Amino acid sequence: LAKTTQPISMDSYEGQEVNITCSHNNIATNDYITWYQQFPSQGPRFIIQGYKTKVTNEVASLFIPADRKSSTLSLPRVSLSDTAVYYCLVAPTTSGTYKYIFGTGTRLKVLA
Amino acid sequence: DGGITQSPKYLFRKEGQNVTLSCEQNLNHDAMYWYRQDPGQGLRLIYYSQIVNDFQKGDIAEGYSVSREKKESFPLTVTSAQKNPTAFYLCASRPIGQNTGELFFGEGSRLTVL
Repeated sequence: LAKTTQPISMDSYEGQEVNITCSHNNIATNDYITWYQQFPSQGPRFIIQGYKTKVTNEVASLFIPADRKSSTLSLPRVSLSDTAVYYCLVAPTTSGTYKYIFGTGTRLKVLA
Repeated sequence: DGGITQSPKYLFRKEGQNVTLSCEQNLNHDAMYWYRQDPGQGLRLIYYSQIVNDFQKGDIAEGYSVSREKKESFPLTVTSAQKNPTAFYLCASRPIGQNTGELFFGEGSRLTVL
């Protein structure tokens, strides 16, 4: 199972773009990369997923280089409400493997 | 509405007592998961199940037990053998046919041992 490494915390100001990078050196060929957002005392919420290159949705972009050993979650123009913990999860998709292990997450604080 | 329901939201228990946390989903998902979260920490996997009547230990299964008698339900019992059970417990599910990492989480149950 791929182990993930993220920065423990980050600070940003409202209106800035925030990039959070996750390292997953031993990612397997069929693994997907997913990101979650968690607010205090709530369950994590799925943000975005990708396999390679770039994926964009209405809230974020995900950049994955060709070697797939890392990924970067990009949050455009953050606001105070984006203050949360962000988790990178490498999802094994090999048949019969369903053990999903989260890393320690990145605590993002958005300042006014 | 479809989703995952955890109950109770808050639970207090005395040391030495077993307690069962409920997790029910109406999403028709095959796989279900239990995670534990301590203050300021990440999520740690307790147990997971990919099919009825089958489940696997996660990284911190000691002191916990589960059952999967129905597809919709995956209750977690915190036994008296769990040395430090005070934590936030999260249940999640996903469809097995979907080969991505999108997990659907409940709102959590906060257990406090007095």
